[in-house]
Amino acid sequence: SQQGEEDPQALSIQEGENATMNCSYKTSINNLQWYRQNSGRGLVHLILIRSNEREKHSGRLRVTLDTSKKSSSLLITASRAADTASYFCATAPSFSGGYNKLIFGAGTRLAVHP
Amino acid sequence: GAVVSQHPSWVICKSGTSVKIECRSLDFQATTMFWYRQFPKQSLMLMATSNEGSKATYEQGVEKDKFLINHASLTLSTLTVTSAHPEDSSFYICSVSTGGWTSNQPQHFGDGTRLSIL
Repeated sequence: SQQGEEDPQALSIQEGENATMNCSYKTSINNLQWYRQNSGRGLVHLILIRSNEREKHSGRLRVTLDTSKKSSSLLITASRAADTASYFCATAPSFSGGYNKLIFGAGTRLAVHP
Repeated sequence: GAVVSQHPSWVICKSGTSVKIECRSLDFQATTMFWYRQFPKQSLMLMATSNEGSKATYEQGVEKDKFLINHASLTLSTLTVTSAHPEDSSFYICSVSTGGWTSNQPQHFGDGTRLSIL
């Protein structure tokens, strides 16, 4: 079953603009991860933030985590046309029994126009 | 990380046939792999956790006899869709967990298999 919601479901912006995607989840977690999926392809891991971390950066990506609100955001700065893809958050629930099981959000489809 | 190869990338077959999808971990000995299903423009739904040398753990609502999983080696897990019907048409994706019992590691995904049942 899906862990939670992502918003917006779709986002259309111009190159150079920033893109912000939000993710909410329902249960306690060990970590939250963001993945990218190009159309018809597998997923590529972007960033992992642990439950005791509040913010993490990787290149043009910035992820925040608020465990009190059970929410996270992914910010892509200075977007490029090549950033066009679907972005998914995924949580590793605390109760998963150690199998590193992930539960995915609904995803945000990002379109960056030249 | 781990490099994951999934084969075939696309398969079309007639209703009633069985289809086998392979997921290989090329550079990591994977005791745990995962199988997901994805409908168009939707999220990934975890189907089962594949454990090397033991039975797979299926998620609620997933038919064990319909989706047979075999993880006979540390580098290969297979998903067989038995007696496939049009409603089984979907995008199937596997992933490798490099974290073992520690969960603070990302999963590494194959490129997926698009299954179309006529």
